[in-house]
Amino acid sequence: EPEVTQTPSHQVTQMGQEVILRCVPISNHLYFYWYRQILGQKVEFLVSFYNNEISEKSEIFDDQFSVERPDGSNFTLKIRSTKLEDSAMYFCASKGLAGSITDTQYFGPGTRLTVL
Amino acid sequence: DAKTTQPPSMDCAEGRAANLPCNHSTISGNEYVYWYRQIHSQGPQYIIHGLKNNETNEMASLIITEDRKSSTLILPHATLRDTAVYYCIVRVYNTDKLIFGTGTRLQVFP
Repeated sequence: EPEVTQTPSHQVTQMGQEVILRCVPISNHLYFYWYRQILGQKVEFLVSFYNNEISEKSEIFDDQFSVERPDGSNFTLKIRSTKLEDSAMYFCASKGLAGSITDTQYFGPGTRLTVL
Repeated sequence: DAKTTQPPSMDCAEGRAANLPCNHSTISGNEYVYWYRQIHSQGPQYIIHGLKNNETNEMASLIITEDRKSSTLILPHATLRDTAVYYCIVRVYNTDKLIFGTGTRLQVFP
């Protein structure tokens, strides 16, 4: 069964450093998302991406964040200058085959980001 | 904010049916109810979704009341591996984001 994959599983970085989190969505999916979950808290929406542009973003997704689909398979989240409060699990999700009535987001296993 | 209310925790004996309730009294006519679960800190796993009719798949059944103000997720024969946090989510019309609440922590015991 196809699944969303994410790398790395755990990323440790120093405050102020840039990090790139990588995701490979399900093949042929067209809609891509990032969510995050701070330890012990709710899963929070960050951004949705379709047709090579951001379609929706939350207040959390400020200028320090960016997303990109650099090729036909990867979807990345970049944090330009990490802060301690960026420490969280980051989940990628994808959905949507062209012409499909399916409207379900499928999540990856997550990347644990630790900012020291 | 999440449009749903769920009990914070529930227990269920292994092999018995687990019935997880969810209230969504402000749901609109074109908003779907989704259920996901999260085991430890893994990614949320899709279970089932519905609009107004009851739905069943290989994982669970979803019963939606006629007025659509509440629903119940049924795991027919709970196993220890079903221990997880279960999220009931109303996907707001015209937005693509899923708004997670705090969910119900289901503990399946032997």
